[in-house]
Parts: sequence; structure tokens; C-alpha cells
Amino acid sequence: DTEVTQTPKHLVMGMTNKKSLKCEQHMGHRAMYWYKQKAKKPPELMFVYSYEKLSINESVPSRFSPECPNSSLLNLHLHALQPEDSALYLCASSHPGRGTEAFFGQGTRLTVV
Amino acid sequence: GENVGLHLPTLSVQEGDNSIINCAYSNSASDYFIWYKQESGKGPQFIIDIRSNMDKRQGQRVTVLLNKTVKHLSLQIAATQPGDSAVYFCAEKGDSWGKLQFGAGTQVVVTP
Repeated sequence: DTEVTQTPKHLVMGMTNKKSLKCEQHMGHRAMYWYKQKAKKPPELMFVYSYEKLSINESVPSRFSPECPNSSLLNLHLHALQPEDSALYLCASSHPGRGTEAFFGQGTRLTVV
Repeated sequence: GENVGLHLPTLSVQEGDNSIINCAYSNSASDYFIWYKQESGKGPQFIIDIRSNMDKRQGQRVTVLLNKTVKHLSLQIAATQPGDSAVYFCAEKGDSWGKLQFGAGTQVVVTP
């Protein structure tokens, strides 16, 4: 099983709303990632969690707040987003480190209005 | 700039023909590469990977070739089918944090 599950699949939110994106995997992976993807562009890394600790924050604005409650779950809390934050948000997981397979979820299509 | 890049943004292929998607990288220390397929509205799907101690790896209808001398890899799809229409990304996963460095992507369009 190489499944990474993301919910919701689609989300429309206003600029004053608070919402959360969720990601779950049961492959025993201890590294989990959030990527942002704009149309016709490759995914761009936002955050890396390794062994449930935040390892990398790629200078992401504080209106995006990641959380890793346990080794299977990864959340992305959203608050006061801007229309330019509209994108496909992808979660991925892998065994930590280099040279290991990484699998993606189907993404959450976020629209900020 | 990007470590990993693609030569062609769009590839049009007739159904039944073979497809070849190319990717160049700049870091000679890169040692692990993944090819992903991304269909419209979906997340990237793992296709095949290759490590730098290999020159070639084969999967079901796909073959990845790695030329470390010229820092180039390619994905070959045999007997391309309509379901192969997608954007294909090569990615390098080479740092200790497991970051994926993606190429720009190639749109493969399969024509009947």
C-alpha cells in the first residue's frame, strides 16, 4: 500500500476564514512533506517533518501553520490567506533522508476568495 | 537555478509509438532520481526510480536510463497509450532531509 490520503479534495475559503488540510499515511514513513503547486508548474516544497519534528520551513508565511500530531498524520492550518495562495496543496511521505521513495497524495485544490 | 531540468515542455506522440522524455541535472553528486506522472487534477504518481549505481532500470512499459557522464536521464514509455497523457516530472531526492528537487515537467499528449 503506497497510499497517502488527503482531505478535503476541494476547499473554498474566504480571506478571514480558518481551515485545515489533513494528510494521513500508514506506510510507516517518518518523513512527511507539504508542497504547493501552481498551475503548469512543478511542486514547491513548503515544510518537512522528520520524526514528527519540523525540520524545514521554506520561508513560508505564518498564515500557513503545519502540525504533525503523530507519525501518520500531517495537518496544515490556514488562516487569513490571500487569493494568490490558491493552489493545489500536496502532501507526501517517505522514509527519512536521501535515496528513498516518496509518495504523494491526490492533493487539496484550494481556492481563496 | 534548478538542479533538474527538462528539454521539451510538450511532447506529442502517436498512440502505439514509443515516448522518450529527457531530463538534465547539474549536480554531479546527485544519486537518486524519481519519475512522476501527474494527470490533470491529481497528485504526482510514482512511476519508477533509479540510483546512481545503475545505468538502466525497467518497469512495466517504462525504462529509465541514467547517463552520469553527461548528467542526463530519460524516461522511455513503450507503446504509448491514451492513458499515458499527463505531465511527467523528473525529481532528484538527494539531501539529508529528503527534499525533492523537481524539473519543469513535460506534457505528453497522445494522439490517436
